Amino acid sequence: EPEVTQTPSHQVTQMGQEVILRCVPISNHLYFYWYRQILGQKVEFLVSFYNNEISEKSEIFDDQFSVERPDGSNFTLKIRSTKLEDSAMYFCASSESQGATNFRPQHFGDGTRLSIL
Amino acid sequence: AQKVTQAQTEISVVEKEDVTLDCVYETRDTTYYLFWYKQPPSGELVFLIRRNSFDEQNEISGRYSWNFQKSTSSFNFTITASQVVDSAVYFCALSERGIKAAGNKLTFGGGTRVLVKP
Repeated sequence: EPEVTQTPSHQVTQMGQEVILRCVPISNHLYFYWYRQILGQKVEFLVSFYNNEISEKSEIFDDQFSVERPDGSNFTLKIRSTKLEDSAMYFCASSESQGATNFRPQHFGDGTRLSIL
Repeated sequence: AQKVTQAQTEISVVEKEDVTLDCVYETRDTTYYLFWYKQPPSGELVFLIRRNSFDEQNEISGRYSWNFQKSTSSFNFTITASQVVDSAVYFCALSERGIKAAGNKLTFGGGTRVLVKP
């Protein structure tokens, strides 16, 4: 079964450095998402992306964050200048279209654990 | 705004006991979807079930069962005859259909940690 893949599985970065988290969504999926889970807390929505633009973002997703689909397969999350509180597990997800009669679930990757020192 | 509440932060049981996880949600949308995910110690999110708001049938899958009650905005999850491998954090989640037919975010509850002791 096709799956969402995320790399790296663990990223350690110095505070203030830029970090790029990479995701390869399932190939025929149209919608892409990033979620964040701080250790021991709930999973929080960051951003959704469709047709090469952000369709929705949360208040967590401030100017330090950006997303990009640089080619036909990758979907990236960039954090410009990392802070200690950015330490978390970051999950990428993708889905086909969703609708009342044609629902398609979000498929999650295994996550990237980001540790900011 | 959508909200999901899992009042139980941690439940500890002995193997073979049944365990029920509560989930209460809030939404103003008439069409929405409810989910349960399992997060084992390895950290990935494992999809367990999805329910549409217009389908209140309860569901059973092996040792897992789900009770959806729209009248009380609840979507509870029961593990029957628990096993040590069931030890994990379980998340309930909600997605509203809204005005967009697609690409709608998931809102997760705070999770319930289940510890099954041998």
